This record gives sequence, C-alpha cells and structure tokens, in this order.
Amino acid sequence: NAGVTQTPKFQVLKTGQSMTLQCAQDMNHEYMSWYRQDPGMGLRLIHYSVGAGITDQGEVPNGYNVSRSTTEDFPLRLLSAAPSQTSVYFCASSYSSRGGNTIYFGEGSWLTVV
Amino acid sequence: AQTVTQSQPEMSVQEAETVTLSCTYDTSENNYYLFWYKQPPSRQMILVIRQEAYKQQNATENRFSVNFQKAAKSFSLKISDSQLGDTAMYFCAFMRPGRGNTPLVFGKGTRLSVIA
Repeated sequence: NAGVTQTPKFQVLKTGQSMTLQCAQDMNHEYMSWYRQDPGMGLRLIHYSVGAGITDQGEVPNGYNVSRSTTEDFPLRLLSAAPSQTSVYFCASSYSSRGGNTIYFGEGSWLTVV
Repeated sequence: AQTVTQSQPEMSVQEAETVTLSCTYDTSENNYYLFWYKQPPSRQMILVIRQEAYKQQNATENRFSVNFQKAAKSFSLKISDSQLGDTAMYFCAFMRPGRGNTPLVFGKGTRLSVIA
C-alpha cells in the first residue's frame, strides 16, 4: 500500500516555466487536496477536490490549476512559475463519508523557482 | 472564516519531562473536528491526535493527550515523558463540519525541541 505518492520530490524551475506536480493515492479516497508550506506560515490550502470531476479553490489558488479526471490522481499545474511559488508542496487525501476523517499526506515536493 | 492560532513559535523541554503546546481557534460552528499533526525534520506530516467537538471527553493517544475547552475555543496538546524523537514542528488544525471532509485550516506551528 503506497499511500499518497508525490512526484517529483525536488524540482528547480526557471521563472516563466510551467510544470506539473503529480499526486496519486491508492486508497480509493474521494477527497484530495494540495497545500503549500512556507516558513512561518504553516500549511495553506491551494486547491481541493471532493471527487472525480469536482475541484474548488482554497486560500492561495492564484498561479495554480488542478483537475481530477480520476479518483486516484490530482495533479497540480504551475502555469508560469514565479519566485513566490518557491515552497514545499504537500498533497493529501482522505475518505469523505461523514466528515472529520483523517487526512493522509504525501512526503512533499520541494520546488525552487529561480 | 475559521482561524487557528498557535502562540508559541518555539518551545523546548527536557527529556522525560512534560510539555504543553497551546492552540486556540475561532469559529461560529457548534460541531467540528480538531487535529494535531507532527512534522519531524523529514517533513512528513504525521497525525498525532484527533478530537470531535461534540465529544466532551479529551482524546488520548499513548503519551499524547489534549485539553479541549470548547467554550474557550482552546485545544492544547500535552506530551508526557518527552522523548528525543518528539523533536518536531507541531501543527494544530481545524476542520469545519460538512457532508464529508472539508479542508483543514492550520495554525503556523510550534517548533518543539526535546533536550537530552
């Protein structure tokens, strides 16, 4: 059981480049989300999804796109990378049956934009 | 919007001693969920403990327990018999009620150092 898998783990981008952070889970979880973690800021929600075909914005969605074509995958796309997007990105998933379910996190993706 | 406040950016404790991390939150909801996550230097997010607001009994997991004060909107984490492996960032998080899971709102974290 792999849990929540994020790729790549480390990435360096040049300003203006685009890229996709991949997230996959093998637990048949309906709920998936992306957070970014910056020093002194905790984790902030970027986008989330309650099921295939359904996505919604979080606290800091600008500059990011998501889609949820399957239950397993929830990729995060950076359209035109900026130095302000240098951060550690976490994907998370959980069941969404009644609320309050434990949310499981991937190991994080370190992104540097130069 | 809900907010979560962790007022202690850094704390330290001697090995085998007890330490309490503070967390307060702001919400108009009556039922909700609260969590403490641990993030060791590896950056992995590990669930420590979970509390449902409608349960008055404080949650306990081995050496970890909470003091949940609903009226005061306070959710502190007590770590007993601190171990070197407890050194980590600790995040308090809030989940509002919904038909299913809703996004977690995190505090900014408390960095805990356990000293030998």
